[in-house]
Amino acid sequence: EVQLVETGGGLIQPGGSLRLSCAASGLTVSSTYMSWVRQAPGKGLEWVAIIYSGGNTYYADPVKGRFTISRDNSKNTLYLQMNSLRAEDTAVYYCGRGSSDYVDYWGQGTLVTVSS
Amino acid sequence: IQMTQSPSSLSASVGDRVTITCRANQTISSYLHWYQQKPGKAPKLLISGASTLQSGVPSRFSGSGSGTDFTLTISSLQPEDFATYYCQQSYISWWTFGQGTKVDIK
Repeated sequence: EVQLVETGGGLIQPGGSLRLSCAASGLTVSSTYMSWVRQAPGKGLEWVAIIYSGGNTYYADPVKGRFTISRDNSKNTLYLQMNSLRAEDTAVYYCGRGSSDYVDYWGQGTLVTVSS
Repeated sequence: IQMTQSPSSLSASVGDRVTITCRANQTISSYLHWYQQKPGKAPKLLISGASTLQSGVPSRFSGSGSGTDFTLTISSLQPEDFATYYCQQSYISWWTFGQGTKVDIK
């Protein structure tokens, strides 16, 4: 059974950094496409980043240059390093497994709140 | 690529046929996918590639369209279908979602 568990969310001041983790079981993160998708409170879904099985990475423009998606194959874990955080980055962050086109397994999400 | 869903919300009764539309501002071929999200839960993939029903998804859900105009249809609305539905394009590597359509009980 595929399971994805996100951790690392919390309250952070504007300009700060945070690293989200997504521990995977029932799948191998290095062998598939892994994404981060976020959802601001009461708002819709926004794709953040994807890492391909081959290691290529892609980012949404609002986070490009500030966020980095990566994985640790030995820990079977996906990460999202978030720097220079802004109030508009406040959201529930979901990790997901899927393809180069969609997410078919989702974690439960972790809330990131950027506020002073 | 901008994705626009209509309506933004609708009220329907159990047993109703429900249709949600998603329009892209440029052609996206069939790179269109539909998700269902219930309050406080992660989204669930219903349909990929505009019309391919995911395993375990009831056959009352169907998707159609290509190019710029797409439709999600629920043939007979069930109590567990009250949720918010999102379309998402993957024609370009920067995925974008529609704003969502909330389906609630009339």
